[in-house]
Formats: sequence, C-alpha cells, structure tokens
Amino acid sequence: SAVISQKPSRDICQRGTSLTIQCQVDSQVTMMFWYRQQPGQSLTLIATANQGSEATYESGFVIDKFPISRPNLTFSTLTVSNMSPEDSSIYLCSVSLGLLSSYEQYFGPGTRLTVT
Amino acid sequence: GQQVMQIPQYQHVQEGEDFTTYCNSSTTLSNIQWYKQRPGGHPVFLIQLVKSGEVKKQKRLTFQFGEAKKNSSLHITATQTTDVGTYFCAGLRDYKLSFGAGTTVTVRA
Repeated sequence: SAVISQKPSRDICQRGTSLTIQCQVDSQVTMMFWYRQQPGQSLTLIATANQGSEATYESGFVIDKFPISRPNLTFSTLTVSNMSPEDSSIYLCSVSLGLLSSYEQYFGPGTRLTVT
Repeated sequence: GQQVMQIPQYQHVQEGEDFTTYCNSSTTLSNIQWYKQRPGGHPVFLIQLVKSGEVKKQKRLTFQFGEAKKNSSLHITATQTTDVGTYFCAGLRDYKLSFGAGTTVTVRA
C-alpha cells in the first residue's frame, strides 16, 4: 500500500471563499481520485485526477466548482470554489495501486470541511 | 446508471454473534471490493473478488461473490468490538467504481 497524506485535515470556511486541499503520496501512482463523503453517507466520486491533462469529472461535478491539479505522479490538489454550506463534507483523495483493471482504492485521511 | 445496493443499513450485533451484510448490483460487475471505515477514520481496502462464485476468508470475515457476478456478501463470525465501523461494498463495471451506502455495525458487549 501507499502512504497518503492530506492537508489541511480540517477547516472551517466562510461562504463565498475557496479552499485548496492537497494530497501527497509517497510513491508514484498512475491513478488518483477525489471523493466526497457527507456525514453518515457513502462515497461519491468527484473526479479522476489525470497527470498532464485535465481531470475527468463525474456527473454533477464541474471544473469551475472543483478545479483539480495533478502536476506529477505523487501530488494533486482539489479546490472547492465559491463555497456554500452545502459543500460541508469530508473530501478524500485516493490512489489505485493494483492492476489498472482492478481499481482498488487506497484513501488518504480526508479533509473535513465546514462552511458557515 | 450502475447502482450498488447494500443492506442492511444498520446492524446491531451482540458480541460473539454472527452477521451478514449483502450487496446487490443491477448489472454484472468486473469485480466487487469491500472496505471498512472505522468511526472518524477513512475507508480501508479489505479485499477484492473477481471470479464468479469466488469465496475468500480473512480470519473471521468471509466474502462471497455471486455466480452471476451481481451480488456479494460479507459474513462476520463471533463479532468482536473491533468489528465496529461501516462496511462498504464497491462494484466495478466499465472502469467505474460505485460504492454501496454501507452497513454501519455496532456491537453490544
């Protein structure tokens, strides 16, 4: 498995502002993902962070709201833009280490975001 | 789109008892994965099943993948307090991984 760190671990932000979350992996990985998990809920994939190209977003998520960077194979950022209370959630980055066909996920510790 | 349904949503178990959580997909899956999330923690990968009818064991946990590759189960025997948490299944199809809603397990000592 890989060691995945996220910063910040938590934050309280005012509506209308933006927060950038960082995800660092201790080894080079091809596939990195960003998920959202609202309290007591399941995991929802926001996007796949592609190295050297634009992220691939899932239905319901757009680049203007959740811009993603992936400058190299060990690092990615997710920005939550123009925040509203509905964006309060846990944001998790994950990597897939297995065969490209298996998609098994290894998650970072998450960033708990509260928007007031 | 692909949906993965998981039941029950909550499981309250007496310590020492067995229980099972079930995962069902509307479509055939390439694989099924199981994760455990402890309270306040992040999801941790447990296991992956790929073959039709596959059964895998991890100590007191038994994972099964249905013959049609549309359903899966996780059976825990002799439940312990360390089993507390939420167990998620996730089905892979067409390079899309869909998570079930999870089964949250509490244990009565």
